Amino acid sequence: AQRVTQPEKLLSVFKGAPVELKCNYSYSGSPELFWYVQYSRQRLQLLLRHISRESIKGFTADLNKGETSFHLKKPFAQEEDSAMYYCALSGSGSEKLVFGKGTKLTVNP
Amino acid sequence: GAGVSQSPRYKVAKRGQDVALRCDPISGHVSLFWYQQALGQGPEFLTYFQNEAQLDKSGLPSDRFFAERPEGSVSTLKIQRTQQEDSAVYLCASSRRGLGWEQYFGPGTRLTVT
Repeated sequence: AQRVTQPEKLLSVFKGAPVELKCNYSYSGSPELFWYVQYSRQRLQLLLRHISRESIKGFTADLNKGETSFHLKKPFAQEEDSAMYYCALSGSGSEKLVFGKGTKLTVNP
Repeated sequence: GAGVSQSPRYKVAKRGQDVALRCDPISGHVSLFWYQQALGQGPEFLTYFQNEAQLDKSGLPSDRFFAERPEGSVSTLKIQRTQQEDSAVYLCASSRRGLGWEQYFGPGTRLTVT
């Protein structure tokens, strides 16, 4: 079965501190992993995906197949990073996304 | 350009009523998805279209849920005889054809069944 687990419902850090949002997945094949973000009163949007190996808004995520993890990291959090973050996967041959329950990140001044 | 649009944005229905939710995808996007997001949860997949063909409806929770995309653009999600557990935000997303393309989400329709 495909499953995405985000163990932290809420995460609070101070501006300038490092932040790591955890994501673990369960999938028997080779999934594609994504991070989606939803800022206040905005729609859900793609932040980054593992296949493109990009760094968006200072965020990076590395796929660790051994630990089945895809944690999202940023070395210095900014107040504008406060948002709801969802980790998601799509299985091979399928476009549908399986989402985790999300982590609400609050960056305090 | 215009993004994915959904209407209505909010819908209140009495239990037992039928509702229809509309999604206008980005022009030229072949793939269209419906997701259901309950309060405090992540979006859950309902169904997927490639053009007018419904290729996956494995996520539809019961036969009260029905989706169509007759001309390969606009899609409608219909819920018959609504129940309280149907209360959720219904998200529509579209993407270009093929694996790995970004899904663009609409603002969602918040359905409340009283």
